[in-house]
Amino acid sequence: QKEVEQNSGPLSVPEGAIASLNCTYSDRGSQSFFWYRQYSGKSPELIMSIYSNGDKEDGRFTAQLNKASQYVSLLIRDSQPSDSATYLCAVNPYSGNTPLVFGKGTRLSVIA
Amino acid sequence: DGGITQSPKYLFRKEGQNVTLSCEQNLNHDAMYWYRQDPGQGLRLIYYSQIVNDFQKGDIAEGYSVSREKKESFPLTVTSAQKNPTAFYLCASSIASRAPYQETQYFGPGTRLLVL
Repeated sequence: QKEVEQNSGPLSVPEGAIASLNCTYSDRGSQSFFWYRQYSGKSPELIMSIYSNGDKEDGRFTAQLNKASQYVSLLIRDSQPSDSATYLCAVNPYSGNTPLVFGKGTRLSVIA
Repeated sequence: DGGITQSPKYLFRKEGQNVTLSCEQNLNHDAMYWYRQDPGQGLRLIYYSQIVNDFQKGDIAEGYSVSREKKESFPLTVTSAQKNPTAFYLCASSIASRAPYQETQYFGPGTRLLVL
């Protein structure tokens, strides 16, 4: 069974702080990793994808991947109340086009 | 305006009734997926289809059925055999090419199913 684990939270951070969201996965052969943001009552929207070890930055968001530790994280700099949402980590445990495996999500609350 | 549409936004099911959720995409994506999300839970895969006229069961297919007669459409039927259907249903699609790293999934707005 392919598994993706996330701390359910809630993770509370003050406005302007850095929010750090973490995810571990069970299948060492996984190649592709994704972060989605889901507001309450809405569908998930893609924030970042990452495929290589290291950091990938996009605006206030940085995804970090460490395949040796089977660990992927998302950093949100200068957190805003509008960042308050559930963040889903998703992994492709196989090469090629197969369904992603999703974690249960971490709920982030940014306090103004 | 490209995207994925799901209808209806809300759907009410009576005891013993089959209901069908619509999912349409104009992104020219080959692969389509159905997920179920319960409150406070992650996404659970119901069915997926990588090409027309072919589909595979996901982790929780019992009580559900699908068809894929057209590339742009992947309707989901919730049958009377599904005893606990109340959930948020999400449809997604992806390119499904042979090129690597093309498996990014994009989601429709979802359908919320409630039992009367």
